[in-house]
Amino acid sequence: DQQVKQNSPSLSVQEGRISILNCDYTNSMFDYFLWYKKYPAEGPTFLISISSIKDKNEDGRFTVFLNKSAKHLSLHIVPSQPGDSAVYFCAATTDSWGKFQFGAGTQVVVTP
Amino acid sequence: NAGVMQNPRHLVRRRGQEARLRCSPMKGHSHVYWYRQLPEEGLKFMVYLQKENIIDESGMPKERFSAEFPKEGPSILRIQQVVRGDSAAYFCASSPPTRQGNGYTFGSGTRLTVV
Repeated sequence: DQQVKQNSPSLSVQEGRISILNCDYTNSMFDYFLWYKKYPAEGPTFLISISSIKDKNEDGRFTVFLNKSAKHLSLHIVPSQPGDSAVYFCAATTDSWGKFQFGAGTQVVVTP
Repeated sequence: NAGVMQNPRHLVRRRGQEARLRCSPMKGHSHVYWYRQLPEEGLKFMVYLQKENIIDESGMPKERFSAEFPKEGPSILRIQQVVRGDSAAYFCASSPPTRQGNGYTFGSGTRLTVV
């Protein structure tokens, strides 16, 4: 039962443009959402998070938007840079703060 | 200031052998999580442990897999009688006792190949 879905396996964007990654979830009990970035042969690294009491969180070039009614999460990267080329996972957890449910990931390629 | 340390980075086992994966959490972190990533898939939760306690093992296969986090030493994920389908990247993560905004810290993973 895939509770967190990233329907776009890949995204190609030009350097300097905006990258928009999408994530949908089915469990209305999720109250905390995160985005992780992963390079090949490395572990995921935390990027940005958002609590369910907010609808937007911004950190530098990264902004996460949460639409609870639509059960939809998105990550905006502006402007995109070549170093942003990686796999991006969204993740969600309930208030119990134990396991995360991860999406399958979106491979982002930023081209010059 | 070491992060989460996993070893070995790569492990090759023949079918039927045992695989032992080790994870040393970050200093000050008392919670350890194990995740598995199969090829072309996302990370799947396996088990959540605190020192000497298994808190949630709902993602662990019922047979051949076990995990521990002893009072002293690293957390161990053990896979007995490995099969080809166990080939995957196994990631360990740790977190401090209180919930913080940056989620877990992951290790670099152990890539298990069963031949």
